Amino acid sequence: GDSVTQMEGPVTLSEEAFLTINCTYTATGYPSLFWYVQYPGEGLQLLLKATKADDKGSNKGFEATYRKETTSFHLEKGSVQVSDSAVYFCARNSGYALNFGKGTSLLVTP
Amino acid sequence: EPEVTQTPSHQVTQMGQEVILRCVPISNHLYFYWYRQILGQKVEFLVSFYNNEISEKSEIFDDQFSVERPDGSNFTLKIRSTKLEDSAMYFCASSRDRGSEKLFFGSGTQLSVL
Repeated sequence: GDSVTQMEGPVTLSEEAFLTINCTYTATGYPSLFWYVQYPGEGLQLLLKATKADDKGSNKGFEATYRKETTSFHLEKGSVQVSDSAVYFCARNSGYALNFGKGTSLLVTP
Repeated sequence: EPEVTQTPSHQVTQMGQEVILRCVPISNHLYFYWYRQILGQKVEFLVSFYNNEISEKSEIFDDQFSVERPDGSNFTLKIRSTKLEDSAMYFCASSRDRGSEKLFFGSGTQLSVL
C-alpha cells in the first residue's frame, strides 16, 4: 500500500546543529509529500510540502526535496533552535487520506 | 489564525462503553477527517466526510465507529462499544478543498479504555 517510513527517534541535538530526518515513501502513483510538525500540546501543523519530483518545499528554515530516484523526502535544517523541539511527521497522500510515518521526536538543547 | 478544536483533551472510559469525541472544524471548511495514533505507531487515517456523508474510510473504521455532523459546527466520532485496543490519540482535521493538500488538525483527544 501507500506508506512512508521515517527514521526512529528520539533525536537530540544541540542548538545550532544540523538536522536531518530521513523519510522514504512507497512509489505508487505520483504522490504529494508533506512534513507535518506537532509542538507540545498542539495539533499537527503543515510544515512544508512538495507536489512533484525535484520540487523543494521550505518553511521556517526547514527544507525537503522530492527525490523520485531514491523515493525520499528527507527533512533538513542547517541550524536548529530550542523552539524546534517537536515531533515531525512525514506523509504522502493517498486519495482523500494522508498516510503518515510514525513521527520523529526532536529535542534541541541549549 | 482559525483552528480546529477538539474536546475533551482526555477521555477515560470502561471497556464496552460508548464514547463520543467532539470536534469543531474551521468554519468555512467542507471536508472533515478523523485520524488516530496508537502509542508508538503511525498516525492512521480513519474516515473522511463531505456533504453529510462518508467519502472514504479505512479498514479500521468498522461498524463500531460512526461519524456525524449534527449541526453546522460540530463533527463527532462515536465508538459504540469501546475495546482496549481503541486506546489512542484521536485527531480531527478539516480542509476547505478536496484532497489532502492542506489539512488543519486539532490537538487531539487522548482516549484511554480501561
